[in-house]
Amino acid sequence: DAGVTQSPTHLIKTRGQQVTLRCSPKSGHDTVSWYQQALGQGPQFIFQYYEEEERQRGNFPDRFSGHQFPNYSSELNVNALLLGDSALYLCASSLRGSTDTQYFGPGTRLTVL
Amino acid sequence: GQNIDQPTEMTATEGAIVQINCTYQTSGFNGLFWYQQHAGEAPTFLSYNVLDGLEEKGRFSSFLSRSKGYSYLLLKELQMKDSASYLCAVRGSTLGRLYFGRGTQLTVWP
Repeated sequence: DAGVTQSPTHLIKTRGQQVTLRCSPKSGHDTVSWYQQALGQGPQFIFQYYEEEERQRGNFPDRFSGHQFPNYSSELNVNALLLGDSALYLCASSLRGSTDTQYFGPGTRLTVL
Repeated sequence: GQNIDQPTEMTATEGAIVQINCTYQTSGFNGLFWYQQHAGEAPTFLSYNVLDGLEEKGRFSSFLSRSKGYSYLLLKELQMKDSASYLCAVRGSTLGRLYFGRGTQLTVWP
């Protein structure tokens, strides 16, 4: 049973560039949430996708956008990168329902120079 | 706003018992989660509480008091591999979104 997978593992970009991160949910899951985790901090919610639509959004600017595909996989796009965007980006998948426990992928470490 | 508070650091010795506390103030409540996160890795789900009381799962137990906005994670028979950050997360009034504390860095000494 495949868990949550993310790609790439690491990424280095320069300010102003754009980046796309990818996530495949755990088998049987239909909901994908994205989090940003700065060093020494807890994860901060970016947004959640269900049925190919953004259902909830955290306090992140419009430079952060996403997409969910019919196979439930998802992408996170960040435009006009800033130094402060350097962080671990985590994808979590869940099955819409009463407990809705989220299972995290290994993350993508983004460094902006 | 949402506020999740937990101690920054704790230390303990192998074989001991440690309790990591978490207090929360959120606009709604629909469950509390504990995750373990080793350095540079993804958080791993440990436990879920939605009703008051104790949930036991092997060496790990989690307690919830909704009236007090309080939870704790109890780790028994500590092992070196338990050295990690422990994250407390609350799901607010709507399904999905989790509010995380900053994490408690636990160091287990031999």
